Amino acid sequence: SQKIEQNSEALNIQEGKTATLTCNYTNYSPAYLQWYRQDPGRGPVFLLLIRENEKEKRKERLKVTFDTTLKQSLFHITASQPADSATYLCACDEGYSTLTFGKGTMLLVSP
Amino acid sequence: EADIYQTPRYLVIGTGKKITLECSQTMGHDKMYWYQQDPGMELHLIHYSYGVNSTEKGDLSSESTVSRIRTEHFPLTLESARPSHTSQYLCASSELAGGERDTQYFGPGTRLTVL
Repeated sequence: SQKIEQNSEALNIQEGKTATLTCNYTNYSPAYLQWYRQDPGRGPVFLLLIRENEKEKRKERLKVTFDTTLKQSLFHITASQPADSATYLCACDEGYSTLTFGKGTMLLVSP
Repeated sequence: EADIYQTPRYLVIGTGKKITLECSQTMGHDKMYWYQQDPGMELHLIHYSYGVNSTEKGDLSSESTVSRIRTEHFPLTLESARPSHTSQYLCASSELAGGERDTQYFGPGTRLTVL
């Protein structure tokens, strides 16, 4: 199965800046990648899905890229707000409708 | 908010007890999943189901068992709880169609502590 690597150190940024989170996978190129948001003590919430043949996907202030050469996905939040503070999880399709999740990166947006 | 529910939200029990964690969804999803997550760690898939009477083991070996008698209900049972079972248990569901519909909807989780 895939091994997903996300930066374990928290990302601290100021309100209004763009946050960029990284997800690297180690094995085969997945059919798609998903990004989820998880708040403390709660279940993850789906944000975006990007397919292998898509370079970029946008949704409001969110943008995801998928680079199969680098085996990497980048997740961007523009004009970040304190309410965006959470842990963001990257997940790879494993086939059979299952996902492998990374440990996530905590984002802290200060006013 | 996803229409997927887990009870109890918190459970503290003694070693050796039998417990059942409940999970129900009202979205009519065929696929359901159970994950285990420790603080600061990734979600580990322990069980999943494609539909009624279907159950599969996930990547993480678990002493728990599951059943899927009804589409909306996917309970997880531990016959004899041990301190090593202390963790957060998350239930999720998704449509059967695949692709975009493979996005998973999660419940709020059950925080289990075994003394």
